[in-house]
Amino acid sequence: NAGVMQNPRHLVRRRGQEARLRCSPMKGHSHVYWYRQLPEEGLKFMVYLQKENIIDESGMPKERFSAEFPKEGPSILRIQQVVRGDSAAYFCASSPLYNEQFFGPGTRLTVL
Amino acid sequence: AQTVTQSQPEMSVQEAETVTLSCTYDTSENNYYLFWYKQPPSRQMILVIRQEAYKQQNATENRFSVNFQKAAKSFSLKISDSQLGDTAMYFCAFMNPTGANSKLTFGKGITLSVRP
Repeated sequence: NAGVMQNPRHLVRRRGQEARLRCSPMKGHSHVYWYRQLPEEGLKFMVYLQKENIIDESGMPKERFSAEFPKEGPSILRIQQVVRGDSAAYFCASSPLYNEQFFGPGTRLTVL
Repeated sequence: AQTVTQSQPEMSVQEAETVTLSCTYDTSENNYYLFWYKQPPSRQMILVIRQEAYKQQNATENRFSVNFQKAAKSFSLKISDSQLGDTAMYFCAFMNPTGANSKLTFGKGITLSVRP
């Protein structure tokens, strides 16, 4: 059973470009969480999704950020018009229910 | 809202010795889970141990054990027989396992170095 997959592992964007981060949950997991880790800090919750539904987006910036988890395919975290402050590691986690979350390897986003 | 506090930014321990990492939290909930995650230089988040608040018995996983003090809202991690591979950042995390509130709240982490 493959673990949580994230791609790309590293993403470089120039200011003003769009970043798309993908997350494929573990087989059988229908709950996906996105977290952001700034340098030298802990992970901060961004958004929680189930298939085709956003359950909690209280940690996501109101502008430029969006997330989806379609019926088919991976979950996508989209950042429009990136700025230098968006540089961080973005982690996805999946869960079969409301308990243990399994993390992917993360995507390190660098904005030039 | 829940908060998780890890007040020690870093610790160092000699190989084969025992070390304890501290964590406190604040919540008004009665049912919740607590976790310790390890993040080695590879940045992968690895679950070390989990504790359900309704369980009085402290969780144990091989060399890792916790001291869970519910009344004091304290959740420390003890690593016995420390190994070089234990060198990593360690994060304490809280979760309310009730649907929409099931996100993890993390502390700022502690950097643990195991000396040979």
